[in-house]
Amino acid sequence: AQSVSQHNHHVILSEAASLELGCNYSYGGTVNLFWYVQYPGQHLQLLLKYFSGDPLVKGIKGFEAEFIKSKFSFNLRKPSVQWSDTAEYFCASGGDTGRRALTFGSGTRLQVQP
Amino acid sequence: GAVVSQHPSWVICKSGTSVKIECRSLDFQATTMFWYRQFPKQSLMLMATSNEGSKATYEQGVEKDKFLINHASLTLSTLTVTSAHPEDSSFYICSASPAGGIDTQYFGPGTRLTVL
Repeated sequence: AQSVSQHNHHVILSEAASLELGCNYSYGGTVNLFWYVQYPGQHLQLLLKYFSGDPLVKGIKGFEAEFIKSKFSFNLRKPSVQWSDTAEYFCASGGDTGRRALTFGSGTRLQVQP
Repeated sequence: GAVVSQHPSWVICKSGTSVKIECRSLDFQATTMFWYRQFPKQSLMLMATSNEGSKATYEQGVEKDKFLINHASLTLSTLTVTSAHPEDSSFYICSASPAGGIDTQYFGPGTRLTVL
């Protein structure tokens, strides 16, 4: 079975700081990877996804993620965070034996201070 | 973009009663819908996968007789928590996957259930 690990549980940054959130997945087969964001009181929104091709994926709101197969990692990055990026970020994987359900990491709470 | 709604957004009920939560895909047909549960400050845990016109597939440890799922149409799935108890209090989130949309899921806003 798949598992997804997010090692940063709570990150506090100042505005304009660079962001990198770690994500590691366990499945060794074909895997699809996602980053979702959940703003306070809102539903999950897709930031970006990787299925195949260029391992550097660009998403919305200036976010990007890099798929490194040898490290089983899919870290999320943003060069300069804003106060409005304060939210919960979830890494997820899908594609286990044809299933389309997602396996979520435990989430990282990002707090950006003005 | 694809929109998924849930109703109600929050519900408070007495222990022993049943609660029905609706999940609707508003602008697309969803052959598959998923039900997740999210505990406070924790991640989403998949409860079941619901395919239109067939029985739901439940994850290990999820009681199918307690969490009844019906996916009667391509735009509606319902989750009924039967004989609810305080430990069932949680945030329930559905997602819908369009026909042919490989691993693309759109999430509803969630339903907060509080059982007294």
